[in-house]
Amino acid sequence: NAGVTQTPKFQVLKTGQSMTLQCAQDMNHNSMYWYRQDPGMGLRLIYYSASEGTTDKGEVPNGYNVSRLNKREFSLRLESAAPSQTSVYFCASSEALAGVWCEQFFGPGTRLTVL
Amino acid sequence: DQQVKQNSPSLSVQEGRISILNCDYTNSMFDYFLWYKKYPAEGPTFLISISSIKDKNEDGRFTVFLNKSAKHLSLHIVPSQPGDSAVYFCAVRVYPGGGADGLTFGKGTHLIIQP
Repeated sequence: NAGVTQTPKFQVLKTGQSMTLQCAQDMNHNSMYWYRQDPGMGLRLIYYSASEGTTDKGEVPNGYNVSRLNKREFSLRLESAAPSQTSVYFCASSEALAGVWCEQFFGPGTRLTVL
Repeated sequence: DQQVKQNSPSLSVQEGRISILNCDYTNSMFDYFLWYKKYPAEGPTFLISISSIKDKNEDGRFTVFLNKSAKHLSLHIVPSQPGDSAVYFCAVRVYPGGGADGLTFGKGTHLIIQP
């Protein structure tokens, strides 16, 4: 099992360009998440998807859109990249059973630089 | 306003001794607390958790203590080993809604185990 995979690993964009970060999990988890980590900071939740077909905003959603393509895949799109979006992006997934906390498994991250 | 605070950016401990990492939180309604470990260029990995109904949880060399009256969480690693050198994040569970469990992270403490 690969767990949570993310592509690409690295990306450099110019201000105003768009791109999509891809995430896939092979653990049959219901819930998926996107976080960003800025230097010297903890991870912050951007968007999440509690189950296939649903998505919702987290703590820092501005400038991003997401798509839960199917149960396995959850993509994050930057429509018009800004330097403030330079960060490391982590995708995560969890079983998220109702009333029971389940561990979140994280991907290796995508390091994005916006010039 | 930070909900989860790790006030020590780094901590250096001799191999074989005890490592104690600390975390403070602001909201007494948080119900689940976690520690994640992160190596460079990798995603965070779950280490240990504790529910608010407990004050201690052990898993091998790792013990988490929760002091609800002080809103304080600590992680003890005994004995410390070179492979424990990593960044440790304290996190709390938040409920964005819809059954998904988002996490809010502290800024992390870089633990360095000296030989």
